Amino acid sequence: DTAVSQTPKYLVTQMGNDKSIKCEQNLGHDTMYWYKQDSKKFLKIMFSYNNKELIINETVPNRFSPKSPDKAHLNLHINSLELGDSAVYFCASSPHRDFSTYEQYFGPGTRLTVT
Amino acid sequence: AQSVAQPEDQVNVAEGNPLTVKCTYSVSGNPYLFWYVQYPNRGLQFLLKYITGDNLVKGSYGFEAEFNKSQTSFHLKKPSALVSDSALYFCAVRDNTGRRALTFGSGTRLQVQP
Repeated sequence: DTAVSQTPKYLVTQMGNDKSIKCEQNLGHDTMYWYKQDSKKFLKIMFSYNNKELIINETVPNRFSPKSPDKAHLNLHINSLELGDSAVYFCASSPHRDFSTYEQYFGPGTRLTVT
Repeated sequence: AQSVAQPEDQVNVAEGNPLTVKCTYSVSGNPYLFWYVQYPNRGLQFLLKYITGDNLVKGSYGFEAEFNKSQTSFHLKKPSALVSDSALYFCAVRDNTGRRALTFGSGTRLQVQP
């Protein structure tokens, strides 16, 4: 009964390929996020969706495209992968768009390695 | 723009001793502050938050944090460290510009020695 799940856990691929990471939450939350954690453990938000609506889109290359088929799922598709995309990608969710009073729940992460 | 500083990359403490993990912040408007913990190969877990009210906030696993507005700090504390507390700790502040995103610090690795 995992709260926020991500697949795959590890992803090794070559430069130029296209790959997707899936995220699902069974908490009934309205808002979902994608974060990128680099090799120095620095964590930065990429996207945020509320009820399938994009509400945060950071300065991320347009090779990254989030897709939310329903409010329980937020997938991340990456085109033309580059070496610099290697990182751990975390999905998270929170019960309300205004999460100033609500904590976020994180998935276990997907370690992407681009060779 | 808001920012969070965690000045120590690593904190070492002996089991049973008190621990402090430091965090200072910069944000316009009222600060909304959070602490998260990340165990190896795991996602972040929420520990505690400061929204308003008492400056001493109590959270999970015996942790607490002290909000100090004049020093713009939100240090994480625990009276008696456990080896199982060894992990990576992140301080975060909410963006008050309307984006309502979280800005995280660079993380502090806590190592508790038996």
